[in-house]
Amino acid sequence: QQPVQSPQAVILREGEDAVINCSSSKALYSVHWYRQKHGEAPVFLMILLKGGEQKGHDKISASFNEKKQQSSLYLTASQLSYSGTYFCGTCRAGGNKLTFGTGTQLKVEL
Amino acid sequence: NAGVMQNPRHLVRRRGQEARLRCSPMKGHSHVYWYRQLPEEGLKFMVYLQKENIIDESGMPKERFSAEFPKEGPSILRIQQVVRGDSAAYFCASSPDRERSSPLHFGNGTRLTVT
Repeated sequence: QQPVQSPQAVILREGEDAVINCSSSKALYSVHWYRQKHGEAPVFLMILLKGGEQKGHDKISASFNEKKQQSSLYLTASQLSYSGTYFCGTCRAGGNKLTFGTGTQLKVEL
Repeated sequence: NAGVMQNPRHLVRRRGQEARLRCSPMKGHSHVYWYRQLPEEGLKFMVYLQKENIIDESGMPKERFSAEFPKEGPSILRIQQVVRGDSAAYFCASSPDRERSSPLHFGNGTRLTVT
């Protein structure tokens, strides 16, 4: 039931782009994205509620393909501060809890 | 506006002792969720509570673990007779309504070490 994220890890040079994917085997109502830095609490990035919805702020955006039960997080022109582990969280239709994915470790280097 | 407050930040217990983890949600939030995170792993759902009610405890181990969210005071996650495998970071999160459409606000976690 846990959503599967890919890739597991990625290393970028500052300014490069990255895409992180999140796939579920169940019908979804919503997808959340969070970033967690080592030893800290997860921090909310964005939530997608409707199929096909795309949201974004600054250089981070996301899409949600309801039919494929997939979401993707897009990071453009990456900055050092983007480093951390990214988790998607999915909530099933009719569900009441967020199930987090396997995580993607992102490291941005100079 | 204070965020989600968890205490203690670090907790060391010997095998067989009890651990009590506290979580005060953000002001105005009546929904609380507990997650467990092992080193280098993801967040595993444990329990979802509203004031005075357990809504979903499907992620809670059947024995030794319990949670409450009383009408007054913080939510408590209680682990009795701790074992080494209980060592983990325990995060509490709150939201103003069911998490389907609202973001979760996480506390800084309690890192439990069982010796």
